Parts: sequence; structure tokens; C-alpha cells
Amino acid sequence: NAGVTQTPKFQVLKTGQSMTLQCAQDMNHNSMYWYRQDPGMGLRLIYYSASEGTTDKGEVPNGYNVSRLNKREFSLRLESAAPSQTSVYFCASSRTFGGSANSPLHFGNGTRLTVT
Amino acid sequence: KQEVTQIPAALSVPEGENLVLNCSFTDSAIYNLQWFRQDPGKGLTSLLLIQSSQREQTSGRLNASLDKSSGRSTLYIAASQPGDSATYLCAANSGGSNYKLTFGKGTLLTVNP
Repeated sequence: NAGVTQTPKFQVLKTGQSMTLQCAQDMNHNSMYWYRQDPGMGLRLIYYSASEGTTDKGEVPNGYNVSRLNKREFSLRLESAAPSQTSVYFCASSRTFGGSANSPLHFGNGTRLTVT
Repeated sequence: KQEVTQIPAALSVPEGENLVLNCSFTDSAIYNLQWFRQDPGKGLTSLLLIQSSQREQTSGRLNASLDKSSGRSTLYIAASQPGDSATYLCAANSGGSNYKLTFGKGTLLTVNP
């Protein structure tokens, strides 16, 4: 049981390049989320998908787009990467929206992105 | 705007000691309060989730409490072990239709053998 799988694990981009971070979960969860983690800032929500077919902006959505491809997959796209987007990106999922005692958030191991 | 603060930022204890990690939040209108553990280079692992109507939750050597009126939560770890060394994060869920899980910056715990 893989849980939440993120690819790639590491990526270096030049300013202006684009890329898509992939996330897939095999737990039949309804809700999925993208966070970024920066030193001294904690985790911040970029986008989320409460259920298949819906997406909503989080706290820091500028410069990103998302696609909930199906129930399993939720991708994050950087159209024109900037150095400020250097961060560790985490995908998470939960059976119920926002998580609960019986359905906590499950996180992937992250994608470490550097934009030069 | 919800703000979550964790004190201390780092804590080092000898093996076997009982310890308390603190989390405070500014807006008491929360749906739940969640504690996570993060190992270096890894994602977060959910430890405990306390609904706003609950006062505490227990799992093994871990006990988390919630006092909404004072805007505080604590994570109590009994008989600490070197394997407990990690960063512990709390997150306040403002919940409802507008999902908002606000994380603290974490407490880095080191348990020395």
C-alpha cells in the first residue's frame, strides 16, 4: 500500500521554465491538497480539491495551477517558475474534507524544487 | 487571521523523560486541532486529531489536550525514546466549507540515549 506518491523527488528549474508536480493516492480518498514548506514559514496551503471535479485556492495560489485528473491524481503546475517558488512541495489526501479522527491527512514525502 | 505558535522551537531531553509540547492559536473558532510528526526529509505523519467538542485524545504514549477558550493545545509524550526524535507540528483547522488548516512552525525534539 503506497499511500501518497509524489514525483519527482527532486527538481532544479531555471527561471521561466515550467513543470508539473505529480501526486497520486491509492487510498480512495475524496480530498487532496497541495502545500509548500519553507524554512521559518511553516506549511502553507496552495490549492485543494475537496472532491473529484472541484478545486479551490488556498493561502498562496499565485503562480500555480492544479488539475484533479481523477479521484486518484492531483497535479500542481508551475507555468513560469520563479526563484520565490523554491520550496519543498507536499501533496496530502484525506477521506473526508479537512480530515477527521477517522480520516486524518496522509502526506507524501515531498518534492524538493530549486529555481535558479 | 488564524495564527498558530509552537513553543519551544527546539527541545532536547534524556531518554525516559516525560515531556510536553505546546501549541497556541489565536482564533478559538476551530473545527479541530491536529498534531503531526515530521522526520527529516519526509512528509508529515498524523499523530492525533482532537475535535472542537473534545478535550483530549490518546494514542499509546501520546496524549493531546485541547482548551479552546484559552487557545491552547498540548502534546504530552510519556517515557520518551530516541525514536521519538522528530519535528512535531500542530495545525488548527478553521474548517467548514472554507478549508483552512493553519500550521505552526514546529518543535524540533531530540531525545538523547
